[in-house]
Amino acid sequence: QSVLTQPPSVSAAPGQKVTISCSGSSSNIGNNYISWYQQLPGTAPKLLIYDNNKRPSGIPDRFSGSKSGTSATLGITGLQTGDEADYYCGAWDSSLNAGVFGGGTKLTVL
Amino acid sequence: QITLKESGPTLVKPTQTLTLTCTFSGFSLSTSGVGVGWIRQPPGKALEWLALIYWDDDKRYSPSLKSRLTITKDTSKNQVVLRMTNMDPVDTATYYCAHAVAGYYFDYWGQGTLVTVSS
Repeated sequence: QSVLTQPPSVSAAPGQKVTISCSGSSSNIGNNYISWYQQLPGTAPKLLIYDNNKRPSGIPDRFSGSKSGTSATLGITGLQTGDEADYYCGAWDSSLNAGVFGGGTKLTVL
Repeated sequence: QITLKESGPTLVKPTQTLTLTCTFSGFSLSTSGVGVGWIRQPPGKALEWLALIYWDDDKRYSPSLKSRLTITKDTSKNQVVLRMTNMDPVDTATYYCAHAVAGYYFDYWGQGTLVTVSS
């Protein structure tokens, strides 16, 4: 059971937009920054978003992040088949004094 | 550029101690604000945060595994070592090390190493 809650799967058609939610509590998302990772099949996770809504160099602006209260959302526009992957949210948990991840969301581009 | 690579045994027996080494380049673990963390992923399952060591030797552990984990660094060798005692088949996973920024997010990851626990 992950500390952060994500939907197991989402799907959308190529070119469309999809959002992935991540729900937590005041000890993690509510009072700390969130990050998002993309994991393509058979590869290591890749940082997509940090500090709630910042993109590392090289990450296209089709990927966006937002946070409200104890929830966060990853948005992906202009979906491509290459976006099919597992997506994870992560945050620091001040109560646990450790990092935590969500359970992951599998994105299918139909 | 920053690179990290995990090394260690691919197979360990139940009750044994696992020792994994993360060898990195492109940054120094003596630089303020820098950390190296360990994350694992059982086959087909989610990421699990394990431990993190900071440039000042401060250490953080997953509460559920704290009694079994030890993380150390050798700045001169650019290495971070994770030890996990009393291994069990449920610890079978791909273990990743990653460069940590601001103590919480990981911007560079190693390729991961699959560790199987079986007798």
